[in-house]
Amino acid sequence: GENVEQHPSTLSVQEGDSAVIKCTYSDSASNYFPWYKQELGKRPQLIIDIRSNVGEKKDQRIAVTLNKTAKHFSLHITETQPEDSAVYFCAASYWVKLVFGAGTILRVKS
Amino acid sequence: DTGVSQNPRHKITKRGQNVTFRCDPISEHNRLYWYRQTLGQGPEFLTYFQNEAQLEKSRLLSDRFSAERPKGSFSTLEIQRTEQGDSAMYLCASSLDGGRSYEQYFGPGTRLTVT
Repeated sequence: GENVEQHPSTLSVQEGDSAVIKCTYSDSASNYFPWYKQELGKRPQLIIDIRSNVGEKKDQRIAVTLNKTAKHFSLHITETQPEDSAVYFCAASYWVKLVFGAGTILRVKS
Repeated sequence: DTGVSQNPRHKITKRGQNVTFRCDPISEHNRLYWYRQTLGQGPEFLTYFQNEAQLEKSRLLSDRFSAERPKGSFSTLEIQRTEQGDSAMYLCASSLDGGRSYEQYFGPGTRLTVT
């Protein structure tokens, strides 16, 4: 079936530390894996994505890694800042639609 | 603002009433999606359009729900005979079929409260 599991559900880090959020997906046909950041009361914003033909992608302080064999992908945020505090969602494509994880609440303590 | 827009932003209705939401996608985007998000959960897919054609509907979309995209531009989502379980944030997203067709951009959502 179509399922994406996301861990942890909450994550607290000290400003400047790194944060890692992990997701697993169920369908080996999935080939696109975006990450969204959602601040309270706002729309989900696409922050980074990766396609199945790539193992890693980096954009400044954020990076995503993909292990297709294990059906795992992860978001890495380095040098965290208070403005990184938000809910982060991973997703996997099933044909056209996206199936989302349940989200990770990230709190960056200053 | 050239992003996805949705109206209204908030809707409070009594159980049994009908409600209609509107989504205006990014102008050149030919794919439009509806998702529903409840508190503490990720968005759940409801349906999507390629131009004016509705190509997939989730099992979540009961017969009380209907969506249209008559001219391949804006879309409406109607819920008939609302129930308290329909209370949620209804999100619209759009994407461009083609090289970057995977990237879906979300609107601000319509928060529905059924009393």
